[in-house]
Amino acid sequence: GQQVMQIPQYQHVQEGEDFTTYCNSSTTLSNIQWYKQRPGGHPVFLIQLVKSGEVKKQKRLTFQFGEAKKNSSLHITATQTTDVGTYFCAGSSWGKLQFGAGTQVVVTP
Amino acid sequence: DSGVTQTPKHLITATGQRVTLRCSPRSGDLSVYWYQQSLDQGLQFLIQYYNGEERAKGNILERFSAQQFPDLHSELNLSSLELGDSALYFCASSWTNTGDSPLHFGNGTRLTVT
Repeated sequence: GQQVMQIPQYQHVQEGEDFTTYCNSSTTLSNIQWYKQRPGGHPVFLIQLVKSGEVKKQKRLTFQFGEAKKNSSLHITATQTTDVGTYFCAGSSWGKLQFGAGTQVVVTP
Repeated sequence: DSGVTQTPKHLITATGQRVTLRCSPRSGDLSVYWYQQSLDQGLQFLIQYYNGEERAKGNILERFSAQQFPDLHSELNLSSLELGDSALYFCASSWTNTGDSPLHFGNGTRLTVT
């Protein structure tokens, strides 16, 4: 069945540094969604990518959807303490949405 | 505020007991999803309903069951509870049933089984 893998599982970042988290699917996706869960909170929808090669930006966050629509990345520049949390990707394929295991981000001042 | 309401916020119960978790989806959303999240773990998909009908099943134990009512609210029933069932249970709603629209999550119900 469909599998969505996220790497890394944990990301320790110094404040001000950049980092990237990756999402890979075993099947071609119709769309990919990204969510952020703050510590003690619930997942919150960030963005959805639909087109092959699509790139979307939200302030310091850049989301990419691969040309083959099987992978995606989230790049955060100049990390801030407010970026702490777990970032989940969720890939949609054949009408089913599959969440990755998430990347837990810890920011050190 | 996501518009998804989950009750109760916290639930403490003993092993062997049965509990019911309730979810009211965002206005206009027809699809309801249930997820289980254990401490520092990912989101384990349990079950999805769309407009009252079961749409998809994930890793849901036989001791667990759910339903979606005509007013679209949903309930997740957990029975013969075990210590390992302690977790955060999220409900999420979306407009479609095909994974093409974003999910809106409730604040969750934290279940503690003692």
